[in-house]
Amino acid sequence: DAKTTQPNSMESNEEEPVHLPCNHSTISGTDYIHWYRQLPSQGPEYVIHGLTSNVNNRMASLAIAEDRKSSTLILHRATLRDAAVYYCILRAISSGSARQLTFGSGTQLTVLP
Amino acid sequence: DVKVTQSSRYLVKRTGEKVFLECVQDMDHENMFWYRQDPGLGLRLIYFSYDVKMKEKGDIPEGYSVSREKKERFSLILESASTNQTSMYLCASSLLGPQNLETQYFGPGTRLLVL
Repeated sequence: DAKTTQPNSMESNEEEPVHLPCNHSTISGTDYIHWYRQLPSQGPEYVIHGLTSNVNNRMASLAIAEDRKSSTLILHRATLRDAAVYYCILRAISSGSARQLTFGSGTQLTVLP
Repeated sequence: DVKVTQSSRYLVKRTGEKVFLECVQDMDHENMFWYRQDPGLGLRLIYFSYDVKMKEKGDIPEGYSVSREKKERFSLILESASTNQTSMYLCASSLLGPQNLETQYFGPGTRLLVL
């Protein structure tokens, strides 16, 4: 899977929107952009994924740049429960059988009351 | 909602003991995975299974074995626990499908301390 770059940490105030950036300049045409997050003392959980168009679900929105070299995860109203490490991951169809997720270091989001 | 459960949240074992970590998923997923997570190293895949009785090595299989006798259950076995196996162990499952669309569902993790 191609490499992604995220800021190590970000802060947000409660009830304000948060924009979490991810750069993936070597993305290929078949790579999907996935976001997972890991709350303290829990396993990672899926947040959202997309290919080219912007995507919305109940948890977040995903905005994908036109050239697909970057994307932004948007939490519309951050709550204290959104404090977590957010991971941006590229997923490609592989000829091999391994289906592991490759997590980078992610962005530690702190939400301030 | 998909549920992945792990047998213990915290476990303390002694060096040389045989350790069993159990994982159960309730969504009829074909794929199941065992990862370990260590500070600064991220998640690393130990083993995975794409069907009953099938297993494949991940990046760090040494010192571990697995068992998948039933579709919903995937066990990780530490044959002789060592202190360098102190870690957070995470189980995950997913449907069999295109890898670029695959969503993995994780359990809460087992924090293992080997003394």
